Amino acid sequence: AQKITQTQPGMFVQEKEAVTLDCTYDTSDPSYGLFWYKQPSSGEMIFLIYQGSYDQQNATEGRYSLNFQKARKSANLVISASQLGDSAMYFCAMREGSDKIIFGKGTRLHILP
Amino acid sequence: ETGVTQTPRHLVMGMTNKKSLKCEQHLGHNAMYWYKQSAKKPLELMFVYNFKEQTENNSVPSRFSPECPNSSHLFLHLHTLQPEDSALYLCASSQVGALFSGNTIYFGEGSWLTVV
Repeated sequence: AQKITQTQPGMFVQEKEAVTLDCTYDTSDPSYGLFWYKQPSSGEMIFLIYQGSYDQQNATEGRYSLNFQKARKSANLVISASQLGDSAMYFCAMREGSDKIIFGKGTRLHILP
Repeated sequence: ETGVTQTPRHLVMGMTNKKSLKCEQHLGHNAMYWYKQSAKKPLELMFVYNFKEQTENNSVPSRFSPECPNSSHLFLHLHTLQPEDSALYLCASSQVGALFSGNTIYFGEGSWLTVV
C-alpha cells in the first residue's frame, strides 16, 4: 500500500502567486518525520523543509511552509510568492522508524511568467 | 557545495561491463542510502546502511552489489546490467537515532547511468 500520496502529477501556477502542493501519508507509528524536497532538471535533490510528528507548530523556512494536519494525515507544502526558479519536481517523504525514508511520486510544478 | 559527493556524474556502460558508483559523505552521518530514480517509476529505495551494516535491501537484483567500507563511503558495484537499469542513482546520508532533531536526509547530485 502506498504510504505517501501526491495526487497532483503536474501543476501550472502564475509567477508571484502562492501554490499548495498536496501530500497525504499513512503510518501507524506515532513517531515519524515528514520532508519536502525539490528536484530541478539537473537531478539533485534539495531539502526544503521538515516536520516532526510531535511538533506543535507548522514548520516554516523562508517562502516555504508546511501545512501539517495530523488528524487528516496531510502535510501540504505551501510556496508563497512563487518564482520562475521554483519550477521543478517536488517530492514529499516520510521517515518511519530510525533509518527508512520513503518518497511519494512527486508533483511537477511549472511557474508561468 | 553538497556534503554528499557522487562519482561519476554520468556513466555509459555496456551490458557486459563491470563498473562502480562511488559516494562519499562529509557530514559525519551514520547512515547511507542508495536510491534509484527512473522515468517511469517514483524514487525507489534500494539499500540502507546503518553504522556500516546493511539494514535494508529492497528486493534489488543481485547485479547491483553495494559495499559500505566505513560510515563515510558507499559504493554500488554494477555488473551485467540491463537497459532497463538506466536511471539516475542517488546516494544520500542521514544521522539516525534522533528522530525529532530534524535529522533530514541529504542527497548527492546523482549519477546518471545509461546501459547500452
